[in-house]
Amino acid sequence: GQQLNQSPQSMFIQEGEDVSMNCTSSSIFNTWLWYKQDPGEGPVLLIALYKAGELTSNGRLTAQFGITRKDSFLNISASIPSDVGIYFCAGRNAGGTSYGKLTFGQGTILTVHP
Amino acid sequence: DAGVTQSPTHLIKTRGQQVTLRCSPKSGHDTVSWYQQALGQGPQFIFQYYEEEERQRGNFPDRFSGHQFPNYSSELNVNALLLGDSALYLCASSRSPDRGPGYTFGSGTRLTVV
Repeated sequence: GQQLNQSPQSMFIQEGEDVSMNCTSSSIFNTWLWYKQDPGEGPVLLIALYKAGELTSNGRLTAQFGITRKDSFLNISASIPSDVGIYFCAGRNAGGTSYGKLTFGQGTILTVHP
Repeated sequence: DAGVTQSPTHLIKTRGQQVTLRCSPKSGHDTVSWYQQALGQGPQFIFQYYEEEERQRGNFPDRFSGHQFPNYSSELNVNALLLGDSALYLCASSRSPDRGPGYTFGSGTRLTVV
């Protein structure tokens, strides 16, 4: 099935460093979402973006909705050990046959060394 | 306030068997979506139920079927299991079909087919 192109696939960083990951698609999305998944758990929503060009922050997390509506990035500032996990981007279009469906990227595995 | 509840948490089945997974949505939510997450991949959309009807379906064969009950809970059924059906099956609920960003995911059912 279709998936978004998410990079990098994995990151190994030191505590306190900043992190940046991005997601691209060949299709336009009306909404971009960023999720974090811990082992044995379901994805938890971090940030939702609704407008092209929108920049939204949630604590140390900042995400932007690309102007072309085909990409998005997520930044984490001053990483801490509890940031460890898998981060997923997801795109969504409302209306037509794609009503409510989320299309996910392959995920970025983040490891933070104390 | 209980979130999304899935059962069972783990399941082992033999090839060719049938399996039923269950999901209780978050209180106040009326729409249930099912996703399949293979190891190392992002979740893939299976289908979505609203008002006891399948509203949208992803690229999954007819061996995958579902049901939604009047209390909004849902079941995912998979017939004639294949080794490739081994995955984490996630249930996500939302308030209505147009509240995609409001999805709440359960912790999933880990299905192993041997």
